[in-house]
Amino acid sequence: GESVGLHLPTLSVQEGDNSIINCAYSNSASDYFIWYKQESGKGPQFIIDIRSNMDKRQGQRVTVLLNKTVKHLSLQIAATQPGDSAVYFCAERDRQGGSEKLVFGKGTKLTVNP
Amino acid sequence: KAGVTQTPRYLIKTRGQQVTLSCSPISGHRSVSWYQQTPGQGLQFLFEYFSETQRNKGNFPGRFSGRQFSNSRSEMNVSTLELGDSALYLCASSLRPWEQFFGPGTRLTVL
Repeated sequence: GESVGLHLPTLSVQEGDNSIINCAYSNSASDYFIWYKQESGKGPQFIIDIRSNMDKRQGQRVTVLLNKTVKHLSLQIAATQPGDSAVYFCAERDRQGGSEKLVFGKGTKLTVNP
Repeated sequence: KAGVTQTPRYLIKTRGQQVTLSCSPISGHRSVSWYQQTPGQGLQFLFEYFSETQRNKGNFPGRFSGRQFSNSRSEMNVSTLELGDSALYLCASSLRPWEQFFGPGTRLTVL
């Protein structure tokens, strides 16, 4: 089965609040993680990535935290805006049998209320 | 710079038929990956091509195949279509490993 999953399928926040989207992974050997945003009718859009030698990485209004002890990944969005409404996926680079692929979680739907 | 383009955007086929989907990557990107997205299974990796060679492969049956041309454009083919093949098929191109830029997808419906 999938090695990457999400705790919550939906998240609703008020405009201006901070959002936290969580992701659990099961492969302790995973060394690279990515967050994607997918708006309705569009393909996923790269948001931010993090390697396993880091605990935290910041982008514009977004922060990804990696806790390797509990195999947990989170995406924090500061001052959430209506344009942030989308489905967010975490993805894990899976290396097995000489092949590499990205394994995606099921996604969390973020709704931002004005 | 133009983004990833996929054609056609929508397609309706019947069981048993075959289908070919096309993807044009961002200029300069040599890696093209294909994914299947369904409500039940989510986003699943099909295969990745780099310089006309399949570099990585997911866990899909042999009915799913692909190829890449010298200009990096890629096609994927699904033979003997099944109802369960109905999905959004996404193509992504990348310059750096796994920093992928996705196209809008092709919505395939199998009747």
